Amino acid sequence: GAVVSQHPSRVICKSGTSVKIECRSLDFQATTMFWYRQFPKQSLMLMATSNEGSKATYEQGVEKDKFLINHASLTLSTLTVTSAHPEDSSFYICSARVILWGQGKETQYFGPGTRLLVL
Amino acid sequence: DAKTTQPNSMESNEEEPVHLPCNHSTISGTDYIHWYRQLPSQGPEYVIHGLTSNVNNRMASLAIAEDRKSSTLILHRATLRDAAVYYCILRGGATNKLIFGTGTLLAVQP
Repeated sequence: GAVVSQHPSRVICKSGTSVKIECRSLDFQATTMFWYRQFPKQSLMLMATSNEGSKATYEQGVEKDKFLINHASLTLSTLTVTSAHPEDSSFYICSARVILWGQGKETQYFGPGTRLLVL
Repeated sequence: DAKTTQPNSMESNEEEPVHLPCNHSTISGTDYIHWYRQLPSQGPEYVIHGLTSNVNNRMASLAIAEDRKSSTLILHRATLRDAAVYYCILRGGATNKLIFGTGTLLAVQP
């Protein structure tokens, strides 16, 4: 199946700094990627939809100036948490939209996630 | 977005079949039914999805009710590695988004 990677897998930073998380589709091109956030013992919350070559679409309540998304190529989307604070500590997960050609279906494949801890 | 309802948790014994139910009474005609599972500290893993007909793949089977208001994910022989949170999600035909609910935590006993 399609493989999606994330880097770094975990990061610890000081409050006030910015952190960039990369999401790559390794063996396919993804025109659309998604970013999610998951707090402990909770479900995934969709943050934004990232489209290659255009601005990301953010879900209601997600600050676009705080969570900068760039999808500059068909295999890479980045999420930058700007001026991170302890409440931004979470598990950030990306996914890539995959079209299953010949089956008339599409789905999403997820990355392994990035654990962010802001001190 | 149409919502799904799943039991919070279920238990199964190893080597036995598991039937994970999902209710989606407000499903629309263009909504696909997707199932994902998530192990602790990992990203979700695609399991299966379908629209109207039952679906089978190497991981599981998806049984969709005739009125499409409910579906059941079937794991034919549970193993310890199947212990995870299973999410049933509706994806609208007009949108690519997956909106996750709370899912079912499946425990598998040896």
